[in-house]
Amino acid sequence: GAGVSQTPSNKVTEKGKYVELRCDPISGHTALYWYRQSLGQGPEFLIYFQGTGAADDSGLPNDRFFAVRPEGSVSTLKIQRTERGDSAVYLCASSPSRGAGGYEQFFGPGTRLTVL
Amino acid sequence: AQSVTQPDIHITVSEGASLELRCNYSYGATPYLFWYVQSPGQGLQLLLKYFSGDTLVQGIKGFEAEFKRSQSSFNLRKPSVHWSDAAEYFCAAPSLTGTASKLTFGTGTRLQVTL
Repeated sequence: GAGVSQTPSNKVTEKGKYVELRCDPISGHTALYWYRQSLGQGPEFLIYFQGTGAADDSGLPNDRFFAVRPEGSVSTLKIQRTERGDSAVYLCASSPSRGAGGYEQFFGPGTRLTVL
Repeated sequence: AQSVTQPDIHITVSEGASLELRCNYSYGATPYLFWYVQSPGQGLQLLLKYFSGDTLVQGIKGFEAEFKRSQSSFNLRKPSVHWSDAAEYFCAAPSLTGTASKLTFGTGTRLQVTL
């Protein structure tokens, strides 16, 4: 079956611009996660959705970052007034969120964001 | 707070040699533990997972890992490395707070395979 997809695969923008990154999870997965991976680092948690609601947004670095999942499926990560430090690979993951198996997350290929 | 540590940033092995990648965790209770692999330009692929029971777990691509509570370790092993195994490897564990299961990752170990 189809895995997690993310678009675009690459995004180059200028400092101060607004960007949107899209994630399409595996069909039927109720949990959706966003992570950010800087060069040479492991992924770092940003936000977690259970259905339509953000259950945990403790990883968002500041109020320039926002994410939505209006219908409980596709999610969009939005970054306002981008800064060069926002350059990273943004990874999306989904999981069935039931029992121990819910802890297994399936990752998309990521969106590489470059802020010039 | 839970943490996952991968002491080795970069490892080089010859094709056909054995491999062991180290992972140490800091958790109060029995953790769930994962190993993921990331090839250049690719997303993270799950190699194997430990939830409970048998402490030696088998994964895909010939990998295995052993959970050792006494050493707080979950090291990844492969008896004979192939050139295609060259990639970045991440150990991870969920936070287990409430219903959230956000993963905490180690900093990764980059594996280079020489022919």
